[in-house]
Amino acid sequence: AQSVTQPDIHITVSEGASLELRCNYSYGATPYLFWYVQSPGQGLQLLLKYFSGDTLVQGIKGFEAEFKRSQSSFNLRKPSVHWSDAAEYFCAASNYGGSQGNLIFGKGTKLSVKP
Amino acid sequence: GAGVSQTPSNKVTEKGKYVELRCDPISGHTALYWYRQSLGQGPEFLIYFQGTGAADDSGLPNDRFFAVRPEGSVSTLKIQRTERGDSAVYLCASSPGKGYYGYTFGSGTRLTVV
Repeated sequence: AQSVTQPDIHITVSEGASLELRCNYSYGATPYLFWYVQSPGQGLQLLLKYFSGDTLVQGIKGFEAEFKRSQSSFNLRKPSVHWSDAAEYFCAASNYGGSQGNLIFGKGTKLSVKP
Repeated sequence: GAGVSQTPSNKVTEKGKYVELRCDPISGHTALYWYRQSLGQGPEFLIYFQGTGAADDSGLPNDRFFAVRPEGSVSTLKIQRTERGDSAVYLCASSPGKGYYGYTFGSGTRLTVV
């Protein structure tokens, strides 16, 4: 069955430190991949997406993600975390473009930022 | 509107009652999706509309759940004979329906069945 796994339930980093959130997928073929962020009481906001081409994808708010086919991974990174980045992050995958097919989400990683 | 609007933001209902959750997508977006997010979980797909028709309803958990989008804009998710296990945040999203834009999500309706 198709699935998305986020191995880390909760991560705490210091403000200014680098961040990497892990995401692994299990699909029959390379899916389309997304990262979303959810702040308390808010909807999901799209950070970035990968469909094809360059495996390093730049997103909003200084985030980037790298697609690694050999590892079935799509990890999210940020060089220097800000306190406002504290939120829950969801990795998601789809067989189609986001406008046509439904997304399968991971369970999320909650990010806490300490001063 | 400027974003995806969901009403109500919170709904508390008694077990066995009927509820309706409303989603008003971004103007002009032809694709509309409903997801359910239980505590500590990622969102789970329920149903996808392209225009007025349900293009994929494979995520609806059982026949107590039904959704409509009669004019291709506003959608209503209907839950009959609610159960405590239906308690969750129900998220709606919309997209232009062409190309690969990703979705725009609403803030959700938190449903609590007591």
